[in-house]
Order: sequence, then structure tokens, then C-alpha cells
Amino acid sequence: KAGVTQTPRYLIKTRGQQVTLSCSPISGHRSVSWYQQTPGQGLQFLFEYFSETQRNKGNFPGRFSGRQFSNSRSEMNVSTLELGDSALYLCASSAAGVHEQYFGPGTRLTVT
Amino acid sequence: GEDVEQSLFLSVREGDSSVINCTYTDSSSTYLYWYKQEPGAGLQLLTYIFSNMDMKQDQRLTVLLNKKDKHLSLRIADTQTGDSAIYFCAEIGNQGGKLIFGQGTELSVKP
Repeated sequence: KAGVTQTPRYLIKTRGQQVTLSCSPISGHRSVSWYQQTPGQGLQFLFEYFSETQRNKGNFPGRFSGRQFSNSRSEMNVSTLELGDSALYLCASSAAGVHEQYFGPGTRLTVT
Repeated sequence: GEDVEQSLFLSVREGDSSVINCTYTDSSSTYLYWYKQEPGAGLQLLTYIFSNMDMKQDQRLTVLLNKKDKHLSLRIADTQTGDSAIYFCAEIGNQGGKLIFGQGTELSVKP
């Protein structure tokens, strides 16, 4: 099976812009979670989607949003980008009723 | 609250055993995990342990769980240079799919 894929792998944006990141889970997986990784804060949970519904949400401002499509692919959007949003954004997928989460390679976002 | 702590660095010689330690605070954790991250890559799930187990062995990896002290460790036998990476301990909190991660331990293996 193909693993979790994330596009794009690298992105450079300017402060104030908005960005959309995409995640395709492992075939058959219906749960997708998003995490932000920074040197200062480490790995922090953003949100989790299952069957197109947000099931869990982390402690991030409303500028961070996401959605999941009927084919389980997920997108996350960050509006009004700030310098502090520069990070590696990781998505993970898991099968229904299974606890293990498998991660994609991440999208490296740089905000200038 | 939920918190996971790890030491930041560990240096070992090739062929030695490595032991990476982790403590957590959430007594309702059901599963605890070890992930590996190599430079420029995502997280690779190495192994996990269910909270009612004390030990799990998987080839060169041994996970020990002391639930009373909320202490988790990962032992890598016969450590190789390819094991050099950052190792993250994580728990499933009481909110289902939300993983809580430690800061990561950078393992350096010297030949």
C-alpha cells in the first residue's frame, strides 16, 4: 500500500497570505489528523477528521481550519499567515477503530 | 494536564545498547508509542505498548512500561549508525485520536 502523501512538500508564503495543504491518507484509512512541528513548541496537535467530520481540535487560533472529503483526503488551511506559522505540517492517518497513526513526510511551510 | 517529558540528547557507540526514557502525566493513557524521525522526514511508527502491559519486544526494540511511575523506556539493542535520529515518545490522551508528544531525544551513534 502507498503511504500517506502530502502536497506540496515545500512552500514559501508571505505574511498575510493564506495557504492550503493537502493530505491523502493510506488507502482504506478514514481518520486524518494534522500536527504542527516547530523547534520551539515541538509537535502539537491541530485537529482530527473522521468521515468528513472534525472529531477533535487542538488549541490553535481560528485561522487554522481543515476539512475532509468523501474520499478521506484532507486539506488544512491557514489564513492571514504570521511568521510564527513557519513549521513542518504533518498529517497522519489511521484506520477506523485502530489506534496506530501513520505519518506522511510533511509540508515545510516558510512564512517571510 | 497532559504532558510528556524526554531527555534531549543521547550519545552511544555503535554496537552498544541505547536506552531512551520518557515520563508522562496522563494516567488515562491507553497506548504509548515510540516514533523515529530522520532529518527532513516525517515520523515513523516504531512500536507501541498497551497500558496494561509491562514489556513488549520487537526484534532489536524493547519497550518497558512502569505504569505506577508513569515511565516508559525504549531500548535499542546493538545500536547502528542508521539508528541516529530523533525519537519521540507519545501517548494517546483521553480525547481519542490526539497524540501528545514529548520533545524528542536526539540519538547520536558514533562508529
